[in-house]
Amino acid sequence: QVQLQESGPGLVKPSETLSLTCSVSGDSVSSYYWSWIREPPGKGLEWIGYIYYSGRTKYNPSLKSRVTISLDASKKQFSLKVSAVTAADTAVYYCARLDINGWLYFDHWGQGILVTVSS
Amino acid sequence: DIQMTQSPSTLSASVGDRVIITCRASQSISTWLAWYQKKPGIAPKLLIYKASTLESGVPSRFSGSGSGTEFTLTISSLQPDDFATYYCQQYNSYCTFGQGTKLEIK
Repeated sequence: QVQLQESGPGLVKPSETLSLTCSVSGDSVSSYYWSWIREPPGKGLEWIGYIYYSGRTKYNPSLKSRVTISLDASKKQFSLKVSAVTAADTAVYYCARLDINGWLYFDHWGQGILVTVSS
Repeated sequence: DIQMTQSPSTLSASVGDRVIITCRASQSISTWLAWYQKKPGIAPKLLIYKASTLESGVPSRFSGSGSGTEFTLTISSLQPDDFATYYCQQYNSYCTFGQGTKLEIK
């Protein structure tokens, strides 16, 4: 059974870069798409983007200019960077796996990590 | 962007009740819709995809229906483990989520 676990700093200063890592266990990262989703406090879930094991990426147009997702297959990890953060980037961040066929729904999720943007 | 609107936002029900949660899309999404269950501190769980296909391992008391712009998630007989927040999500064009429906114990 695949399991995903987010890790990274829980506090980031405004204007700095938020960096998170998702570690995958119980399955290979090959042949799958991997994604990040966030949930700001009191708001709904927002898809951030995904990466295929080949390295191909796709991002939410509303965040595209500030977001980078990368993957290290040898470590079975993928990562998220969000640059120039503001308080609006405060959220619980989830990593997730897309359906095997690449349809943009998520069959496995991490439990989430709260990241607060504050000085 | 395709907007997803769920109703109700909060639903109070008792064990054994049949409950229905509705999700409406701002434009047609065919059957490209998924439903998730979320509990605090626990990874969200996929329940249904393609509007009505039950994910492996999900109890058969959960069912989904609809196409186009109107969708429903039905729990036929509520169990204690079902009290949670439920989200719909479209994947016809990128992906967007509904705002969630919190299912509470009456």
